[in-house]
Amino acid sequence: EIVLTQSPATLSLSPGERATLSCRASQSVSSYLAWYQQKPGQAPRLLIYDASNRATGIPARFSGSGSGTDFTLTISSLEPEDFAVYYCQQRSNWPLITFGQGTRLEIK
Amino acid sequence: EVQLVESGGGLVQPGRSLRLSCAASGFTFDDYAMHWVRQAPGKGLEWVSGISWNSGSIGYADSVKGRFTISRDNAKNSLYLQMNSLRAEDTALYYCAKDYQYCTNGVCYDWSYFDYWGQGTLVTVSS
Repeated sequence: EIVLTQSPATLSLSPGERATLSCRASQSVSSYLAWYQQKPGQAPRLLIYDASNRATGIPARFSGSGSGTDFTLTISSLEPEDFAVYYCQQRSNWPLITFGQGTRLEIK
Repeated sequence: EVQLVESGGGLVQPGRSLRLSCAASGFTFDDYAMHWVRQAPGKGLEWVSGISWNSGSIGYADSVKGRFTISRDNAKNSLYLQMNSLRAEDTALYYCAKDYQYCTNGVCYDWSYFDYWGQGTLVTVSS
C-alpha cells in the first residue's frame, strides 16, 4: 500500500498570505496525485488532478506541483473561503486508492 | 446537474449487516466507474471500494476485503455496498463518489479521482 504523508498537520495563516501544503508518498506515484478541499459538513471537492492540473471551476490561485514522491499544493493568496482541510490522494497503485491524513488550514 | 444520493445508513450491532445504496442522476451512469469513500467521525478520508462501468473490475481496501461487496445496477442508475460482519471501526460517513474520466496527451484514464460526491450516509456500529 502506498502511504501518503501530509505536512504540516495544521497551518495557521492570515488572508492574503501564501499557503504551501506538502504531500509525500512512500513510493513513486509518478504524477498520479490529486488534491481535495473539504469544509465542515461538506463533501470533498476536487481541486487538482495529475499533480498540476486544475479541475473545472477551480480558481487560478490554487496550483499543484511535484512528481514521484514529493508534491505541493500552493494557494497564492488566501481568501476567507480557503480555510478548510486539504487532502492528497494517489491513484498510481490500481485498484488501490489512498488518501493522505489531511492538513488543516486555519485562520491565524 | 450531477446528483448522488446515498441511503441505507443507520445504527447496527457489531457482526451484523447493512446495505448502502447510491442513486445517481444528471450523467450517463453506465459510462463511469463509481466508488465508495468513508470518513470516520473527525478523521480523514478512506477509499473503500470501486467498480468499473460494466462491473468487470472491482477493488477493495484491505480493511474491508472479504466483508464488503460493491455492485451496481446500470438500469436503475444505482450503486450499492453490502457490508457484512460489521465492526466498530467501520463507523463512518459513507460517500458515494463518481469517477473522474479525463484524457491527456491522447491517453484517456478512469479509476482515477473523484469529481462528484454525495452528501454521505452515516453508519454507526455499536452494541
